[in-house]
Amino acid sequence: ETGVTQSPTHLIKTRGQQVTLRCSSQSGHNTVSWYQQALGQGPQFIFQYYREEENGRGNFPPRFSGLQFPNYSSELNVNALELDDSALYLCASSPYLNTEAFFGQGTRLTVV
Amino acid sequence: AQTVTQSQPEMSVQEAETVTLSCTYDTSESDYYLFWYKQPPSRQMILVIRQEAYKQQNATENRFSVNFQKAAKSFSLKISDSQLGDAAMYFCAYRSLPGGTSYGKLTFGQGTILTVHP
Repeated sequence: ETGVTQSPTHLIKTRGQQVTLRCSSQSGHNTVSWYQQALGQGPQFIFQYYREEENGRGNFPPRFSGLQFPNYSSELNVNALELDDSALYLCASSPYLNTEAFFGQGTRLTVV
Repeated sequence: AQTVTQSQPEMSVQEAETVTLSCTYDTSESDYYLFWYKQPPSRQMILVIRQEAYKQQNATENRFSVNFQKAAKSFSLKISDSQLGDAAMYFCAYRSLPGGTSYGKLTFGQGTILTVHP
């Protein structure tokens, strides 16, 4: 167990809808990053938050957005869902200057 | 931009034997971190081992060790005395140092599925 928890574990949404995924970071960690993992692929970096500010973003459209709260928990929001958004979404936390990222168990999103 | 390549989609090993998973990467940075993560069917990504590029000594963690060849940009994982619980998808990953071109971002390879036969 890493201490990083994500909710919900599974989610089914309809194309065009909006979804919010949540992540509670490990105690003492002020940096949270989000990854999208398609089936059978490696995770792809979506963005990272440090002390409530986005400080890094991958090649994802603006309909992928996020928040980090004062307690360092985080949300990933996806608007106008597309079928290709179906994937495992992973959250990882780390102390900012530390090297390791510790992952949650992921949220499996299915868009139908 | 950095890239990470795992050329072995699948590997298999007999229990108690040794297996080596390959990883190559491309970067223009001189210092960085490299990791191996394990992802079992439970989906949670688990850190197996890490290597700082400025350290010449290869990292080891119990039955897991790496062969880090900086000039060749190669970072292989050796699992000794393989156990049934080692069966999983293994990912090689790259991360810049603070102040690097893309600090914070982990760049992953495509993964290698490891099967352990009893």
